[in-house]
Amino acid sequence: DAGVIQSPRHEVTEMGQEVTLRCKPISGHDYLFWYRQTMMRGLELLIYFNNNVPIDDSGMPEDRFSAKMPNASFSTLKIQPSEPRDSAVYFCASSLREGRRDTQYFGPGTRLTVL
Amino acid sequence: SQKIEQNSEALNIQEGKTATLTCNYTNYSPAYLQWYRQDPGRGPVFLLLIRENEKEKRKERLKVTFDTTLKQSLFHITASQPADSATYLCALSSYNTDKLIFGTGTRLQVFP
Repeated sequence: DAGVIQSPRHEVTEMGQEVTLRCKPISGHDYLFWYRQTMMRGLELLIYFNNNVPIDDSGMPEDRFSAKMPNASFSTLKIQPSEPRDSAVYFCASSLREGRRDTQYFGPGTRLTVL
Repeated sequence: SQKIEQNSEALNIQEGKTATLTCNYTNYSPAYLQWYRQDPGRGPVFLLLIRENEKEKRKERLKVTFDTTLKQSLFHITASQPADSATYLCALSSYNTDKLIFGTGTRLQVFP
């Protein structure tokens, strides 16, 4: 298996632009997680899905952030409009069973820079 | 609020020695604790999971302990190698959610 796939790997955009990050989880995994990592705040969970349904989005910073999972093999995280403070590395992860007691497999991440 | 603390300073040790990393938490009663390894420019990689009713778990050169009284987990790498150099993250979760809360990680550097 190719593992969790994320695209793009790097994104540089200007403040106010819309940014869409993409994730393809490992086939057969029921759980999908979106994280953000910064030096100041470390790795933070933004939202997670179970069987394509959002379960907990309490980590989404504000309404500018939205996430969707239209099917079991694809998810997007959208930021509109983007701001410089959104600059971070965004990771997608998937797990076969409940994330609390199962291995989470992380993708390589998308490094986002908002100028 | 829930807080997870890991040594922010890097841990430097000599090859062959045992590395010990600490994870302390407050205002939390975790059911599960996980340890991940992260290399620069890459996503975290799962290493070990330990449950609240387990005191210790081992995997090859790795050993994790979990003391719910002290609210602390220790992560040991025996016979450390330069290839073990990385940042190590601990993560906690409870019974009623799949949300993992991560510590900020400790960077380990093993010198030949």
